[in-house]
Amino acid sequence: KAGVTQTPRYLIKTRGQQVTLSCSPISGHRSVSWYQQTPGQGLQFLFEYFSETQRNKGNFPGRFSGRQFSNSRSEMNVSTLELGDSALYLCASSFTSGSWLGTGELFFGEGSRLTVL
Amino acid sequence: EDQVTQSPEALRLQEGESSSLNCSYTVSGLRGLFWYRQDPGKGPEFLFTLYSAGEEKEKERLKATLTKKESFLHITAPKPEDSATYLCAVYNGNQFYFGTGTSLTVIP
Repeated sequence: KAGVTQTPRYLIKTRGQQVTLSCSPISGHRSVSWYQQTPGQGLQFLFEYFSETQRNKGNFPGRFSGRQFSNSRSEMNVSTLELGDSALYLCASSFTSGSWLGTGELFFGEGSRLTVL
Repeated sequence: EDQVTQSPEALRLQEGESSSLNCSYTVSGLRGLFWYRQDPGKGPEFLFTLYSAGEEKEKERLKATLTKKESFLHITAPKPEDSATYLCAVYNGNQFYFGTGTSLTVIP
């Protein structure tokens, strides 16, 4: 069973540019969530999509946006990049969302490491 | 405000030296507490889910426990392959809140 695939794995951008990251969830998973991981802050929730609808959003500025397609693949976009946006961006998928009573297991990809110069 | 605090930030153990990692949390309506393992350059990998105080889960050398305010990850007789960062997270029904992790190094 293929895992969560994130592309690109590494990228370097300059301040003011924008970036789009892609995430392909595990087949059959309908929920995709995005996290920003930095050494000082740990994993911070960006947003979650379920069946093409944004279900929840974390406390990030509007420069961070995302979407989900009908095949559950998701993209996130960061516009007007700042130095502080340098981080590992992780995507996680799960079969369901909301008040599930499952194991709560999120399946993470290996991340996209963004460096902003 | 929902939050998770993990301690210590880093832990070095000799192979076979048992210890515990701590996860303290405040959350409005705990729906679950989770432990993940993260290896360098990889995404986190699920270990356990705990739902209520008093619950315990075991997997090989790892045992997770939960109280109303904190969780412990006990590592018994660790091996070098247990070296990783261990992350704790809570779910409040809307989103997950992760701690910053404990970096564990097990020395042969």
